[in-house]
Order: sequence, then structure tokens, then C-alpha cells
Amino acid sequence: LAKTTQPISMDSYEGQEVNITCSHNNIATNDYITWYQQFPSQGPRFIIQGYKTKVTNEVASLFIPADRKSSTLSLPRVSLSDTAVYYCLVGPGGSSNTGKLIFGQGTTLQVKP
Amino acid sequence: SQTIHQWPATLVQPVGSPLSLECTVEGTSNPNLYWYRQAAGRGLQLLFYSVGIGQISSEVPQNLSASRPQDRQFILSSKKLLLSDSGFYLCAWSVSREQYFGPGTRLTVT
Repeated sequence: LAKTTQPISMDSYEGQEVNITCSHNNIATNDYITWYQQFPSQGPRFIIQGYKTKVTNEVASLFIPADRKSSTLSLPRVSLSDTAVYYCLVGPGGSSNTGKLIFGQGTTLQVKP
Repeated sequence: SQTIHQWPATLVQPVGSPLSLECTVEGTSNPNLYWYRQAAGRGLQLLFYSVGIGQISSEVPQNLSASRPQDRQFILSSKKLLLSDSGFYLCAWSVSREQYFGPGTRLTVT
């Protein structure tokens, strides 16, 4: 499974756009990139997943360059409730695999008023 | 819709006592199931995963074990708890590329 590297922490203010970048230099051809959000004393929650280019949902956008060696999670107009730990994970897709995910330390995002 | 249950929510156990944490999933069939542990202020560590009944894979050597007696039931056990077993235990399931986590069990070993 590909190893990921992301900043340990980030600070932002309410209403700003936040971009969290993750490096995954040894990503495999069949790997997908997935981001999770975790609040204290709760399990992680799926945010977004992508394979290449750009993916957008009601919560965030995910930008993946052509070489797929990095990805950027973009949170538009953050609020205080977006303060959480954000994990970037890389793993194989498909329903026939084990679906194993290796979580790193994540990025602790602190949103200030 | 799919739902995942874990119990108990919190648990305080003395060193050397046994442990049994249960996880059940509703609304899906033949899911992959996972047990994770999260120490205070740390990331999640994958402990076990299962792709079917009776099929358990261990990710790290430890004094914990897991069993899957039914399709949607996953149990984490220990015969004798250690202080280092304290942490937040999370069960998760997946049927494709996304994992869905339960509410977790906060275990304190004293």
C-alpha cells in the first residue's frame, strides 16, 4: 500500500478556502485516493474519493494532477465545525480486494473565528 | 440504509482481565470488516480485517484476537489485557472502496 505524507497541522479562519495537500509518490496504477474526516471521539467519516483529475461533491473538491503523485483536498469557506483531523489514504479499488486502508497521522485543521 | 453498531461505548478493565468487543453491521451482505485502534492523539492502526465468515487477517502482533462467527458480526477479544491495550477501538465495514466506521469503544485498562 502506498505511503502518504501530509502536513501535521494547519490553521485557517472562518470563511476561507482550505487546501490540504497529500504526497503519495509510489501510488500504484489501480490505487484510488480517499480522504476522511475525524472529529474527537468519533470514527472517521468518508469525505471524497478520486482516481484522477478533479472530483467535486457537496462537501469538498479533490484535485489530482496527471502524475497522481499528490492530491489536494479543497474545503470551500470553512466554518468552526470543520475543525477536525483529515486523513489522506491511498489504496486499491474494486470490490474483490480486501479494502485495507493504512491511516497516517493525518492533518489537524484548526479553524479560528 | 446501512448501520454499524459497536458496544460497549466505554469500558474500564483491570490489567489481566479478558476483553470482548462486538461489532454488528445491518443493511448489507458479505461486507469486509475491520478493527482499528487509535491511541490518544495518534492515527488509526489497523488490527484485523476479514473478507468473510471465519476469515481473519492480523496486521500487527499483539495479545488481541478477532473472530467473525456470522457474516455481519465481528468480535475483538483478549484473554489478558495489558496497559498498552488502552485506546479507542473502531470497527468499520466496506463493500467497495469506501469504509464506514462505527461509533467506537473507549477502552481504559487500569
